[in-house]
Amino acid sequence: ETGVTQSPTHLIKTRGQQVTLRCSSQSGHNTVSWYQQALGQGPQFIFQYYREEENGRGNFPPRFSGLQFPNYSSELNVNALELDDSALYLCASSLEYGVRSPLHFGNGTRLTVT
Amino acid sequence: KNQVEQSPQSLIILEGKNCTLQCNYTVSPFSNLRWYKQDTGRGPVSLTIMTFSENTKSNGRYTATLDADTKQSSLHITASQLSDSASYICVVSAITGGSYIPTFGRGTSLIVHP
Repeated sequence: ETGVTQSPTHLIKTRGQQVTLRCSSQSGHNTVSWYQQALGQGPQFIFQYYREEENGRGNFPPRFSGLQFPNYSSELNVNALELDDSALYLCASSLEYGVRSPLHFGNGTRLTVT
Repeated sequence: KNQVEQSPQSLIILEGKNCTLQCNYTVSPFSNLRWYKQDTGRGPVSLTIMTFSENTKSNGRYTATLDADTKQSSLHITASQLSDSASYICVVSAITGGSYIPTFGRGTSLIVHP
């Protein structure tokens, strides 16, 4: 059973550019969520997808958008990159959408915006 | 505004000793509280999940407590090991419109010395 995998592991972009980050959920998991973790901080919830529908969103602007595909893999897209977008982006999946479903995290994509 | 405060910010203990980490929250309406362990450069790993009706949950040497009245939680680590060196993150989720919206603390950095 493979865990949650994220790609790429590291990425450098220029301010104003657009970026797409990818996440493959753990086998059988139908819920995926994305988080931004700045250096030395706890993660912040961006949004969550359940069976291809967004069903929860944190306090992030619309330039942060996402998709979940029929195989439950997911993408995070960020438009008009800003310097403050530099962070570790974490993806997590869970077997079902529920209060007791543990999240399984990937090791993240480190994004640097210059 | 939903907030999760963790203390201490960092902690250094000797191998074999016990320690307790604290989490205070102002998250409403409360759904569940989770503790995660995050090694440097890795994604968080779930330790415990507690709902409103649970006041203690154990996972090996880790024991979490929850006082929903005072909105406080603690994570007790027994007989610490060098591999316990990591950041421990408290996450409290609110239930809003059928969606679980998590708020993360900044974490407590634990260092275990031999």
